[in-house]
Amino acid sequence: GAGVSQSPSNKVTEKGKDVELRCDPISGHTALYWYRQRLGQGLEFLIYFQGNSAPDKSGLPSDRFSAERTGESVSTLTIQRTQQEDSAVYLCASSAQGTVNQPQHFGDGTRLSIL
Amino acid sequence: AQKITQTQPGMFVQEKEAVTLDCTYDTSDPSYGLFWYKQPSSGEMIFLIYQGSYDQQNATEGRYSLNFQKARKSANLVISASQLGDSAMYFCAMRGRRVDSNYQLIWGAGTKLIIKP
Repeated sequence: GAGVSQSPSNKVTEKGKDVELRCDPISGHTALYWYRQRLGQGLEFLIYFQGNSAPDKSGLPSDRFSAERTGESVSTLTIQRTQQEDSAVYLCASSAQGTVNQPQHFGDGTRLSIL
Repeated sequence: AQKITQTQPGMFVQEKEAVTLDCTYDTSDPSYGLFWYKQPSSGEMIFLIYQGSYDQQNATEGRYSLNFQKARKSANLVISASQLGDSAMYFCAMRGRRVDSNYQLIWGAGTKLIIKP
């Protein structure tokens, strides 16, 4: 596609439920990133995929968070047993390759609200 | 450790004036890249401009230019002839050749820019 696509755009769920967020990167982009952005704050790195290498999961805040990526395409971020502090916008980005000069291109994000 | 600092949490600027958004960084890596992104109230993150640490000239993209002062470790964004549509959050970010074993961007806290008519 023309840009990074994320779905759903909005998700409201009850505390304790599991949620799955989806990201379709730009075709041909080998690097994919997930970020969390709480209201009025900057971006918090969650996880990074680069090609077939093992993902960097160092930003995942707890074992309730996990992510997968199929080859160099779609990625899903799963949050289990959601808590109210998980409420945030979850942004996905992709870049042509994980090197210094490649900008990350972002999707519009998924706004997650935990009741 | 690598770090990005944006010291201006918010700025008000009169329409048509130029505006400078500050960004300082800290890294010991000789090879790095600096990025500026714009995030309007609608939430999307828009890439504006890139400066490489070895680039001899300051980057420019339309009304955006980057005032890169390597010795001072600053990479300020300059927006010329500001427009109402420039009102947004602006984030400075840095990527090193190796940042904690990956190529993630290190992000500043952002500056909220409001353009007054």
